[in-house]
Amino acid sequence: AQTVTQSQPEMSVQEAETVTLSCTYDTSESDYYLFWYKQPPSRQMILVIRQEAYKQQNATENRFSVNFQKAAKSFSLKISDSQLGDAAMYFCAYRSRDSGGGADGLTFGKGTHLIIQP
Amino acid sequence: DTGVSQDPRHKITKRGQNVTFRCDPISEHNRLYWYRQTLGQGPEFLTYFQNEAQLEKSRLLSDRFSAERPKGSFSTLEIQRTEQGDSAMYLCASSLGRTGGYQETQYFGPGTRLLVL
Repeated sequence: AQTVTQSQPEMSVQEAETVTLSCTYDTSESDYYLFWYKQPPSRQMILVIRQEAYKQQNATENRFSVNFQKAAKSFSLKISDSQLGDAAMYFCAYRSRDSGGGADGLTFGKGTHLIIQP
Repeated sequence: DTGVSQDPRHKITKRGQNVTFRCDPISEHNRLYWYRQTLGQGPEFLTYFQNEAQLEKSRLLSDRFSAERPKGSFSTLEIQRTEQGDSAMYLCASSLGRTGGYQETQYFGPGTRLLVL
């Protein structure tokens, strides 16, 4: 079974600064997907960024980028120019590549609570 | 595109009662997932549908839990004889599954928060 570990229960960053959230995972598979989801207080979870394991290039979405190290099984999220609206729980998630015969759900880490200080 | 919706948003029940939650996925999505999220934890996968077929169940889904998606559109999750340990946020997500293994993004609903007294 796959596991996802987020070792930082809470992170704090000054507004406009850069912060990196860590995620490691354990799998024996070679093809899979990794995701970062954001869950603001009392609001629904939304996708921040995704990465396909077969792609060597790190994914980017505006101020959000990842550092995907497949050999190290590491998938960190960098948030540049932090804004107050970035304050939320951030979850790293893993999913096997769909073999067509069935599909597992996402496996999530425990989350990192990101605090943005004005 | 109205997003994934869930009803009710909050439910308080007494131990031993049955509860049912509903999820309406994004209209063109053929895959629907249920997750449970307890306080301070990430969501945990419960079960998954492709159209009306329930293809996978987690070991977390005890006999007291049952899920249906009768017409391949909305889904219901029923918990019978609720226990205090069932108190959690129940999340629904949907995606558009395609052949060839490509994994579409799962879009989440706002969740149903259950409190069992």
